[in-house]
Amino acid sequence: GESVGLHLPTLSVQEGDNSIINCAYSNSASDYFIWYKQESGKGPQFIIDIRSNMDKRQGQRVTVLLNKTVKHLSLQIAATQPGDSAVYFCAGSRDSARQLTFGSGTQLTVLP
Amino acid sequence: DTGVSQDPRHKITKRGQNVTFRCDPISEHNRLYWYRQTLGQGPEFLTYFQNEAQLEKSRLLSDRFSAERPKGSFSTLEIQRTEQGDSAMYLCASSEQNYGYTFGSGTRLTVV
Repeated sequence: GESVGLHLPTLSVQEGDNSIINCAYSNSASDYFIWYKQESGKGPQFIIDIRSNMDKRQGQRVTVLLNKTVKHLSLQIAATQPGDSAVYFCAGSRDSARQLTFGSGTQLTVLP
Repeated sequence: DTGVSQDPRHKITKRGQNVTFRCDPISEHNRLYWYRQTLGQGPEFLTYFQNEAQLEKSRLLSDRFSAERPKGSFSTLEIQRTEQGDSAMYLCASSEQNYGYTFGSGTRLTVV
């Protein structure tokens, strides 16, 4: 089956620095990935997604990189702000039904 | 508010009681998903609907769990004879065929 995991359970960065959150997946058939941000007591909030026919996708202050060779993806946040403090999840799917398999999350803390 | 709505936000119930949660998806979304999230973990897929058809339910945790989407709009998730291990956040998400995967804020269930 599919497993999706994150490399580090916690990450602390200084305000204004760039953040990189990493994620690995096991199933090479996975063809769609999403990054979510989750604040305490709230549901996951969509950040950015990427399909397996792409290597990179950029949003506002965020970039997702996909390396299919090593089954790894990363989320880069530019100029990290205090409001970026949250748990970040990567999720992947390998079917048209889009049943997502989530990793266990990385707690990002932005230091003043 | 045009997002995914879930009701109630919190539910405390005694062990053995039945509970029902409601999800109202984004109106133009034809897919609706239910997930469960326990503390410190990523969401875990339970079931999904395409319009009113429940296309995947093998991941429901036991036969005490059931879901409906009678008219292809809102959905309900019922847990019968609740157990303490059912305590978790129950999340609903909706999407178009291949994009817009949006989560609600969840229903937090506490079984005492």
